[in-house]
Amino acid sequence: SQQGEEDPQALSIQEGENATMNCSYKTSINNLQWYRQNSGRGLVHLILIRSNEREKHSGRLRVTLDTSKKSSSLLITASRAADTASYFCATDQTGANNLFFGTGTRLTVIP
Amino acid sequence: EAGVAQSPRYKIIEKRQSVAFWCNPISGHATLYWYQQILGQGPKLLIQFQNNGVVDDSQLPKDRFSAERLKGVDSTLKIQPAKLEDSAVYLCASSSWAGRGEAFFGQGTRLTVV
Repeated sequence: SQQGEEDPQALSIQEGENATMNCSYKTSINNLQWYRQNSGRGLVHLILIRSNEREKHSGRLRVTLDTSKKSSSLLITASRAADTASYFCATDQTGANNLFFGTGTRLTVIP
Repeated sequence: EAGVAQSPRYKIIEKRQSVAFWCNPISGHATLYWYQQILGQGPKLLIQFQNNGVVDDSQLPKDRFSAERLKGVDSTLKIQPAKLEDSAVYLCASSSWAGRGEAFFGQGTRLTVV
């Protein structure tokens, strides 16, 4: 079964707006990663946040992690049409050394 | 740096036939993953190798799916016999360190079973 659940399943915003998507997971983790997938393409790694970190930034991306609530959020600021894609969180489970993906959020940025 | 290579890109087969997918990971990457992604869903881990040993194959339907990674480099995933519900994109990924860092994905193989 999937390790994580993303929320919302789909999000549609205007170009220039911010997009926020959330991920909840079930077990203890070493780190949590966010990936992007353009239609018909492979997944591309965006950012990794370790279990002892609470917030991380990379360009227009901001990720937060709350291990007490077993949740993470990905914020994309000043969105662009090129950000249109599906976004997935992936968890590296403690003691398991594997990478499990969530269900994904489909983001559409309208020019 | 060359990325993860997968072939073929597309495959159409009839149910009960067999099919094989090939993956060449990034040079030096010890960890190799095979994922199945059904349309509209997230990738589902089928099997994970560390070098040429299996780390996790708990979600691999072993009655029809098999995978191997010879010499800890290339890997093949086989389905025999295929069912209609096997229609999906099969993604291969590799990382330098099991689960600890970024995974690099290939473009995937889109399988259609008719």
